[in-house]
Amino acid sequence: QKEVEQNSGPLSVPEGAIASLNCTYSDRVSQSFFWYRQYSGKSPELIMSIYSNGDKEDGRFTAQLNKASQYVSLLIRDSQPSDSATDLCAVNAGTSYDKVIFGPGTSLSVIP
Amino acid sequence: GAVVSQHPSWVICKSGTSVKIECRSLDFQATTMFWYRQFPKQSLMLMATSNEGSKATYEQGVEKDKFLINHASLTLSTLTVTSAHPEDSSFYICSVFPGLAGNAQFFGPGTRLTVL
Repeated sequence: QKEVEQNSGPLSVPEGAIASLNCTYSDRVSQSFFWYRQYSGKSPELIMSIYSNGDKEDGRFTAQLNKASQYVSLLIRDSQPSDSATDLCAVNAGTSYDKVIFGPGTSLSVIP
Repeated sequence: GAVVSQHPSWVICKSGTSVKIECRSLDFQATTMFWYRQFPKQSLMLMATSNEGSKATYEQGVEKDKFLINHASLTLSTLTVTSAHPEDSSFYICSVFPGLAGNAQFFGPGTRLTVL
């Protein structure tokens, strides 16, 4: 069974610090990787996507992908209280270009 | 990204009744939409893939006769929970796949279903 795993947390960081979230996946043929943010009672919002090995930066967010290790991470710089949410890792399901599998999410709490 | 709406945003119904949830793609024509269910403190679980003009594809373990999906147009998919029971109480979310932003899905705001 194809799986996406994350540390459920909660991950607590002080305001202004770097938050590091990790995700591993089981399907070696996956090519598309996504990070979504979900606030309590709301639906997920896309943070960023990554497809190639290495780093991809977007503002305070940096996604890192290592396909050989089947590992993707998200770094959040200058963490803000508004970052307090559950961040979900999602991986496309095998050769499917549109269907994705979600991890359980990491609950992030940024302490003012 | 894509703009997606859902209606209603929340619904409370009695056990045994049927509930219809609408998902609309507001800014592009969606041949494919996805329906997810999320229980408290759990992640999103894909229920089915809704295909415009054809039958939906259900994930293993999802009862197709209980969760009826109709994707009659390129902007509207509906999910009907038939003979709802308390265990069907959940957060139902639809998403669209516009092929933008590198194959990301974009989600509707969700529908909170409570079955008494």
